[in-house]
Amino acid sequence: DGGITQSPKYLFRKEGQNVTLSCEQNLNHDAMYWYRQDPGQGLRLIYYSQIVNDFQKGDIAEGYSVSREKKESFPLTVTSAQKNPTAFYLCASSMRGQGVNTEAFFGQGTRLTVV
Amino acid sequence: DAKTTQPPSMDCAEGRAANLPCNHSTISGNEYVYWYRQIHSQGPQYIIHGLKNNETNEMASLIITEDRKSSTLILPHATLRDTAVYYCIVRVLNRSSNYKLTFGKGTLLTVNP
Repeated sequence: DGGITQSPKYLFRKEGQNVTLSCEQNLNHDAMYWYRQDPGQGLRLIYYSQIVNDFQKGDIAEGYSVSREKKESFPLTVTSAQKNPTAFYLCASSMRGQGVNTEAFFGQGTRLTVV
Repeated sequence: DAKTTQPPSMDCAEGRAANLPCNHSTISGNEYVYWYRQIHSQGPQYIIHGLKNNETNEMASLIITEDRKSSTLILPHATLRDTAVYYCIVRVLNRSSNYKLTFGKGTLLTVNP
């Protein structure tokens, strides 16, 4: 089945440790995105990538890093510099261009808890 | 991308139509209107999108005003499973554009029995 997969679903880390969240898609989408969601809040854009080997900062990139070495994969690293890393993280992908089939598809999210 | 304004919450009776408004008064001519919804603790789900004509699919209808400054998402017969946060987004679609996809806080629709 085609789709976008995030793993793991739940993740616990100690404060001060870096952690990498996985996001893989087999939809042949060019664009990929990472969002953060806090309780009762909307989605805030962390990073996005329009093509392989290229990515841009979103609205809250500080304390995060990404890579886009393959079209299918867009891992997010939450570094120790991120002050409040505990959150629900969502990955998405979409095609580029106009018209139909340009909607974004989302993974089921990773809930990160830092203790 | 143009900003959008949505009411924070709405209620609807089960079986009735749910009409969710969205203002996007700064929308430009090449920006599309997209709607997504997010059921609690899940990833958002695409519903529908349009440019200037009204659109309908198996999930919903999208009505865009003639001046394109606002739109309404219509769920014709709301069910309890339609309880979710609904997001309205506007974005440009072409290969050379910046593909930033920005969400607001959305509208929490509660469908009551």
